[in-house]
Amino acid sequence: SQQGEEDPQALSIQEGENATMNCSYKTSINNLQWYRQNSGRGLVHLILIRSNEREKHSGRLRVTLDTSKKSSSLLITASRAADTASYFCATGSMYSGGGADGLTFGKGTHLIIQP
Amino acid sequence: GAGVSQSPSNKVTEKGKDVELRCDPISGHTALYWYRQSLGQGLEFLIYFQGNSAPDKSGLPSDRFSAERTGGSVSTLTIQRTQQEDSAVYLCASSSIRGYTGELFFGEGSRLTVL
Repeated sequence: SQQGEEDPQALSIQEGENATMNCSYKTSINNLQWYRQNSGRGLVHLILIRSNEREKHSGRLRVTLDTSKKSSSLLITASRAADTASYFCATGSMYSGGGADGLTFGKGTHLIIQP
Repeated sequence: GAGVSQSPSNKVTEKGKDVELRCDPISGHTALYWYRQSLGQGLEFLIYFQGNSAPDKSGLPSDRFSAERTGGSVSTLTIQRTQQEDSAVYLCASSSIRGYTGELFFGEGSRLTVL
């Protein structure tokens, strides 16, 4: 069954604005990761947040995790045209019992930054 | 090599033909994954290799799909008697640790088009 699900499916904002994407999941997790995929390319790891962490920063990225609500958000501040990409959350769980050794990807949020 | 390498980058084949897709993971990475991504969609897990353990084949969609990993390094995904619905981008990823605990490194993908 699908674990992580991103919201919204698509987001279009003006350059310089902040972009927020959300990820919800259903079962207990060990960690949650965010990946970026530029058009026609592979996925690139952005950040990993563990289940005992609430917030993590990396450059213009800020990730929060609320295990009580089973949700995470990715905030990109001061967006740039180069941030145009699809963003995927991936939940890591030793309890999931599914394939891929407990790692499940969502369907992604397609972010467009208008110049 | 410096990253995960996949070949061919593009493959066009006729319905009914067999195809082989190759993945060279990062040296020393014990975990290797194959995913399928249809246009504009999320990642569909296919198969997972971890060291010398038996692979997790639970994501393979039919018995036309198979994969092997020789010497714990290079992997080949084989699709027999290709169908039009097999058209997608096939992504390979590797990791130095178990999937749910850490970061995956992705290749650029092999785009398969079945006519």
